[in-house]
Amino acid sequence: EIVLTQSPGTLSLSPGERATLSCRASQSVSNNYLAWYQQKAGQPPRLLIYGASSRATGIPDRFSGSGSGTDFTLTISRLEPEDFAVYYCHQYGRSSTFGQGTKLEIK
Amino acid sequence: QVHLVQSGAEVKKPGSAVKVSCKGSGGAFSGSAVSWVRLAPGQGPVWMGGIVPFYGGDTYAQKFQGRVSITADKSTNTVYMELRSLGYDDTAVYYCAREGFLSGYFDFWGQGTLVTVSS
Repeated sequence: EIVLTQSPGTLSLSPGERATLSCRASQSVSNNYLAWYQQKAGQPPRLLIYGASSRATGIPDRFSGSGSGTDFTLTISRLEPEDFAVYYCHQYGRSSTFGQGTKLEIK
Repeated sequence: QVHLVQSGAEVKKPGSAVKVSCKGSGGAFSGSAVSWVRLAPGQGPVWMGGIVPFYGGDTYAQKFQGRVSITADKSTNTVYMELRSLGYDDTAVYYCAREGFLSGYFDFWGQGTLVTVSS
């Protein structure tokens, strides 16, 4: 099973700042089949990024994904108040596993 | 627009079983797979298994093999997940999620069903 480790566990930033979230895989993710989701309290996860760097429909361009192999990054260029949430990475190259999440909180 | 609507919250006793439904609309299941993902307090999401409603092929995570069954009723566009031999650590929110066609990532999610295991 591919284990995904996200860091940091909690990230405290202010609106307008840049957020960088990391996801490291225990083995190479085939074809860079890596997705990112945003989850707010009481809501289901929302797809942000798939294929490591492709934005899902309707996702603002301040969200970007990068990386390959075992190291992936989600970047939010300028934080809006609605971006404070929990973020999960997900590999779907071999079976399906998720990271434990990064909580992005207001500083 | 694709919508997935799940059945309501459940409270179950240890050792019993729970069956959660996920009804799709707006072409939700047209050739796509539907998976079940659970989110327990303080943990990351865990994929449990999935099914392609079009032909009924199913697959399960090793962790849940033998304890979970995922079925589909094409006539009602509904997918079901049954989890047996419930323990306290099965208390979680269970989500159905549709995979983008031949993709593997989850582009639409149900609203979630809270299953509480309590004596």
